Amino acid sequence: GENVEQHPSTLSVQEGDSAVIKCTYSDSASNYFPWYKQELGKRPQLIIDIRSNVGEKKDQRIAVTLNKTAKHFSLHITETQPEDSAVYFCAAGGDTGRRALTFGSGTRLQVQP
Amino acid sequence: DAGITQSPRHKVTETGTPVTLRCHQTENHRYMYWYRQDPGHGLRLIHYSYGVKDTDKGEVSDGYSVSRSKTEDFLLTLESATSSQTSVYFCAISERHPGGETQYFGPGTRLLVL
Repeated sequence: GENVEQHPSTLSVQEGDSAVIKCTYSDSASNYFPWYKQELGKRPQLIIDIRSNVGEKKDQRIAVTLNKTAKHFSLHITETQPEDSAVYFCAAGGDTGRRALTFGSGTRLQVQP
Repeated sequence: DAGITQSPRHKVTETGTPVTLRCHQTENHRYMYWYRQDPGHGLRLIHYSYGVKDTDKGEVSDGYSVSRSKTEDFLLTLESATSSQTSVYFCAISERHPGGETQYFGPGTRLLVL
C-alpha cells in the first residue's frame, strides 16, 4: 500500500517568514495530493490540493509543488501569520473516492509573533 | 462542513463493552470513511464505504466493523472496546467536482476506553 513520510514534525518560524513542509510517497499510482490544516480540537480542513497533471498550484499565500518523478510534494506558506499556527497534514491517494487517502504524520507549525 | 455530523461527540466507556459511533451526511455522497487520529500517527483509515452495503477495510481495521444500510449513515462499531482504541475518530465524505474528488471531515468523536 501507499506510505507517506512527512517532515519536519515540528517547525517554528518568525511571523512574516516562509514555511516549507515536505512529503514523500511510495505508490507511483497516487495522483491526488491534498493538504489539511488542523487547529487544536478541530477537524482537519482542506487548504489546498494538487493533482498529478499539475506541477504547482498557488492560492494566495500558500502553494504546493509536486515532483512525480521523485515522488515528493511540498507545501509553501509565505508571509506567515500567527493564525497559520496549526498542525498540517499531507496526504496521497487516488482522485476517486474508491482510493482512500494515506496521510503523513503531521507537522506542527508555530508562528512566533 | 459538507453536511457531516458525528455522534456522540464524546464518549467514555469501559474495556470490553461494545461501542457504536455514527456518521451522518445530508448530501447524498457515495463514499464515506472512518479514520482514527492518534499522536504521531496522523490519520489512519479504518474502513470505508463506496455505497449502501458496500464496505472495505483500511489499514487499521482489526477490532472494528462497519455498516451502511442507507446512504446517509455510516456506523463504526467496536465489538469489545480496548484501551488501545482510545482515540479521536473522524468520519469523512468524498465530494465529487469537475476536478475530481475531495475529502471533507466531520467534527470528530473523542473516545476514551478505561
